[in-house]
Amino acid sequence: DVKVTQSSRYLVKRTGEKVFLECVQDMDHENMFWYRQDPGLGLRLIYFSYDVKMKEKGDIPEGYSVSREKKERFSLILESASTNQTSMYLCASRTGQGGYTFGSGTRLTVV
Amino acid sequence: KNEVEQSPQNLTAQEGEFITINCSYSVGISALHWLQQHPGGGIVSLFMLSSGKKKHGRLIATINIQEKHSSLHITASHPRDSAVYICAVSPGNQFYFGTGTSLTVIP
Repeated sequence: DVKVTQSSRYLVKRTGEKVFLECVQDMDHENMFWYRQDPGLGLRLIYFSYDVKMKEKGDIPEGYSVSREKKERFSLILESASTNQTSMYLCASRTGQGGYTFGSGTRLTVV
Repeated sequence: KNEVEQSPQNLTAQEGEFITINCSYSVGISALHWLQQHPGGGIVSLFMLSSGKKKHGRLIATINIQEKHSSLHITASHPRDSAVYICAVSPGNQFYFGTGTSLTVIP
């Protein structure tokens, strides 16, 4: 079974801090994704990557950046955390046209 | 504009009831996915469909490509089925997600 591991389940950060959310997958998937999930809005795509060092903006990239230095790891960076970035963050990976495998999510609270 | 619409948004059922969740989409797709998310948990993929019908245990998923519509059915519902069910479509590499249906099954 493919595993997608997110480094933290719960995280509390202060406004203005730089925040790193890490995601690692163990099945050599080319494509990796970062979503945020908010009540009533569903899952919204922040960034995705289809290969090492490649990245594409999703629907809501503002305030975020990403890094994919190795195929198995996709990091989401909040350059200067703000309270409106309090959310559930979900990482996912897939290969080709296959189904998604999601991580367990990181619930981030910015105070 | 929502590419994927789900109904109902919230659903409460008695244990044993037959449950249907609907999904309509507006884009051409290569596949449709049904996902399940338990409270506080990650998301699990239930089905990936491109045509017809699939069954897994008490779960059945159907899709009508011409009508751009899919349904997820749960037979003999159980409290452990309580979760958010999310429909997602993939026209290509990206996914479009519905906002989810929150299901509560009461014993």
